[in-house]
Amino acid sequence: IQLTQSPSSLSASVGDTVTITCRASQGISSHLAWYQQKPGTAPKLLIYAASSLKSGVPSRFSGSGSGTDFTLTISSLQPEDFATYYCQQLNSYPLFTFGPGTKVDIK
Amino acid sequence: QVQLQESGPGLVKPSETLSLICTVSGASISSHYWTWIRQPAGKAPEWIGRIYSSGTTDYNPSLTSRVTMSVDTSKNQFSLNLRSVTAADTAIYYCARARYCTSATCFGGLDVWGQGTTVTVSS
Repeated sequence: IQLTQSPSSLSASVGDTVTITCRASQGISSHLAWYQQKPGTAPKLLIYAASSLKSGVPSRFSGSGSGTDFTLTISSLQPEDFATYYCQQLNSYPLFTFGPGTKVDIK
Repeated sequence: QVQLQESGPGLVKPSETLSLICTVSGASISSHYWTWIRQPAGKAPEWIGRIYSSGTTDYNPSLTSRVTMSVDTSKNQFSLNLRSVTAADTAIYYCARARYCTSATCFGGLDVWGQGTTVTVSS
């Protein structure tokens, strides 16, 4: 299963609402996770099962979708949210692929 | 809290075997799936494979001929061996815990990651 993300990069301002899309080449039910990665650090889990917020993650992050189309929305973007975001499908055993990433930087 | 720590050589010669260990603290390695991920510089993470505490493994089909994972429950560790390495295997290698897994899926994502270890393949 291939994952595509759009856009590949975007520029936004603090306070903006940002939406990132992840599309799977075939249906993956709701077995999708979203991660945030900052330079020099490991990816951090934000959303699992497409729309479940990991404990401790700010509520401005939300996920939706099922099947092949998924979105990650960041409401009221904060300075610490500038990072690269990856989706990952965990449905297609034995290969749980990652998307190519979306870099969010400051406008 | 649960912490993972990768360890192993930072430099491996071409054609040799890359060997890494992940030490789990703050939780038992039992009854969980544990994974290895790698990330070449400037690229997206790549799934290498996962191992259950019983020793059952799943590997990325593109790497399966060269990969072996194992688990040592007495030491709360799991390990990765990647044989016949080339420069294309140069990357940051992470270990991570996979949540809410069945034999076929893991819908909970990778919730705890190690800090990563840089492995360079060069003579």
